[in-house]
Amino acid sequence: AQTVTQSQPEMSVQEAETVTLSCTYDTSESDYYLFWYKQPPSRQMILVIRQEAYKQQNATENRFSVNFQKAAKSFSLKISDSQLGDAAMYFCAYIDPGSNYKLTFGKGTLLTVNP
Amino acid sequence: NAGVTQTPKFRILKIGQSMTLQCTQDMNHNYMYWYRQDPGMGLKLIYYSVGAGITDKGEVPNGYNVSRSTTEDFPLRLELAAPSQTSVYFCASTRERTGANVLTFGAGSRLTVL
Repeated sequence: AQTVTQSQPEMSVQEAETVTLSCTYDTSESDYYLFWYKQPPSRQMILVIRQEAYKQQNATENRFSVNFQKAAKSFSLKISDSQLGDAAMYFCAYIDPGSNYKLTFGKGTLLTVNP
Repeated sequence: NAGVTQTPKFRILKIGQSMTLQCTQDMNHNYMYWYRQDPGMGLKLIYYSVGAGITDKGEVPNGYNVSRSTTEDFPLRLELAAPSQTSVYFCASTRERTGANVLTFGAGSRLTVL
């Protein structure tokens, strides 16, 4: 079974600084997708960024970028120029096409942004 | 466009009571899912549906039942509430069976069983 591991239960960053959240996963599939979701105190699940495994280029979305290392099964999220609104729980998630789109989530990393 | 709507947002149940969490989407999505999120944990899949009339178990189905009589609705039923079912429940949906399409989540329903 696929597993997703986030080894950092909590992280903190100063406003305007850069922070990296770690995620590793385990799968025997070659075709799959990876996601980072943000969950603020409102509990709403918000997609931050996604990466297709067959694409070598790392995905970027404004201040958010990933470092996708397929051989190492690593998928870290970098947040640049951190803002107070970035404070939230961040979840790494995995899906492969054969699973009826069933997302497997990590346990999450709680990010605090200090002013 | 309402997206995915869950009701109720909050509910307190006594042990042994039953209730139904409602989920409705107006995006004509075929795939719908119920997840639960326990404190300090990620989301775990309870049940899912790939279309009207078709449902299947996820990772943690015990104590729950679902039905999918229409494309829009995917209710989750708790028959005999137990304290272990205290959690936040999320309904989600997507149109196609591809990773490029992203799940749309409801706002969540917080359930407490006392």
